[in-house]
Amino acid sequence: DTGVSQDPRHKITKRGQNVTFRCDPISEHNRLYWYRQTLGQGPEFLTYFQNEAQLEKSRLLSDRFSAERPKGSFSTLEIQRTEQGDSAMYLCASSLILALDTQYFGPGTRLTVL
Amino acid sequence: QKEVEQDPGPLSVPEGAIVSLNCTYSNSAFQYFMWYRQYSRKGPELLMYTYSSGNKEDGRFTAQVDKSSKYISLFIRDSQPSDSATYLCAPSSGGSNYKLTFGKGTLLTVNP
Repeated sequence: DTGVSQDPRHKITKRGQNVTFRCDPISEHNRLYWYRQTLGQGPEFLTYFQNEAQLEKSRLLSDRFSAERPKGSFSTLEIQRTEQGDSAMYLCASSLILALDTQYFGPGTRLTVL
Repeated sequence: QKEVEQDPGPLSVPEGAIVSLNCTYSNSAFQYFMWYRQYSRKGPELLMYTYSSGNKEDGRFTAQVDKSSKYISLFIRDSQPSDSATYLCAPSSGGSNYKLTFGKGTLLTVNP
């Protein structure tokens, strides 16, 4: 078990460009979460999947954001027409559906929009 | 009012000190109370959790929840320089949705 992995670890892009991040959860974890963390703040929930179904999206997830988990394994988060306000750490977490849904976080993808 | 309030610090203590970290919350539906530790430029890692009210001890760490006052605490005994990190409280309502609602985090530095 290698833990949750995220790729890339860092991304610098120009305003208006599209970016895509990938998350590989712990194998056999059926829940996958995306959070966003800005400097000096705690992570904020964006969306989560149970297997391939996207079950909830936060109001923070504008229509420029889209997330997928096509086969219930890895997930991608795409941001279209990036804005400077999108600069943040994007964190992925995974968990098993149990009585207590312990979430294990990846190292995050740090996005900088110039 | 934010759902979870946490004093961001920073908090600086000498090695060996007892550290007290606290959060308050407003959502009565919260049933699970997690504490995560986050080192600089890393993802959060689960430190410990409690369910409902009460205390839970794990080595040098003790988590306390008082649901009547909506108050969450984490105590660190015999603090070590390796404990220097940001500590995040993260309650959850459980049920069908276990999304975490994080506090801002408290930055702790333990000085040798």
